Amino acid sequence: KAGVTQTPRYLIKTRGQQVTLSCSPISGHRSVSWYQQTPGQGLQFLFEYFSETQRNKGNFPGRFSGRQFSNSRSEMNVSTLELGDSALYLCASSPTGPGAGELFFGEGSRLTVL
Amino acid sequence: KNQVEQSPQSLIILEGKNCTLQCNYTVSPFSNLRWYKQDTGRGPVSLTIMTFSENTKSNGRYTATLDADTKQSSLHITASQLSDSASYICVVSFGNEKLTFGTGTRLTIIP
Repeated sequence: KAGVTQTPRYLIKTRGQQVTLSCSPISGHRSVSWYQQTPGQGLQFLFEYFSETQRNKGNFPGRFSGRQFSNSRSEMNVSTLELGDSALYLCASSPTGPGAGELFFGEGSRLTVL
Repeated sequence: KNQVEQSPQSLIILEGKNCTLQCNYTVSPFSNLRWYKQDTGRGPVSLTIMTFSENTKSNGRYTATLDADTKQSSLHITASQLSDSASYICVVSFGNEKLTFGTGTRLTIIP
């Protein structure tokens, strides 16, 4: 069974640009959640989607947005990039939601903002 | 405010030795507690998950304990191997599907 796939793995952008990251969950998993990981803050929850609906959202500005498609694949978008957005962005999938049971993470997309 | 604190921040031990990592939480209402292992530049991988009623769970050389009364958990690694070098993250789940993450313990195993 294929794991969680994130693309791209690495990308470099400049301030003011926007970026879209993609996540393909494990087959059959309907919940996809996104996290930002930085050395200083650790892992922080961005948002979670279940069956194309955003169920929960973390404390991030509106520049961070996401969506989920009918096949459960998810994308997150960051607009007007800032230097502080440089981070490892992780997506995770689970059958029912991140809180209840096993959570499976992808390898992440490392974003560098110059 | 829900918080998860891990100690130590970093730890260096010799290969073959045992070690114990600590996690204290103030999350309420508590649902479950997980330990993840994260290799550098990779995504976290689940080691154990424990509910309120469980006080110990093992996964090979990894054994997690949970004391819900004192809100403490520990991860014990037995007979460490070089491949155990990684960050270990304690994560607590609370009501409404939310997770609170600890900042992790960076473990280095030296030969």
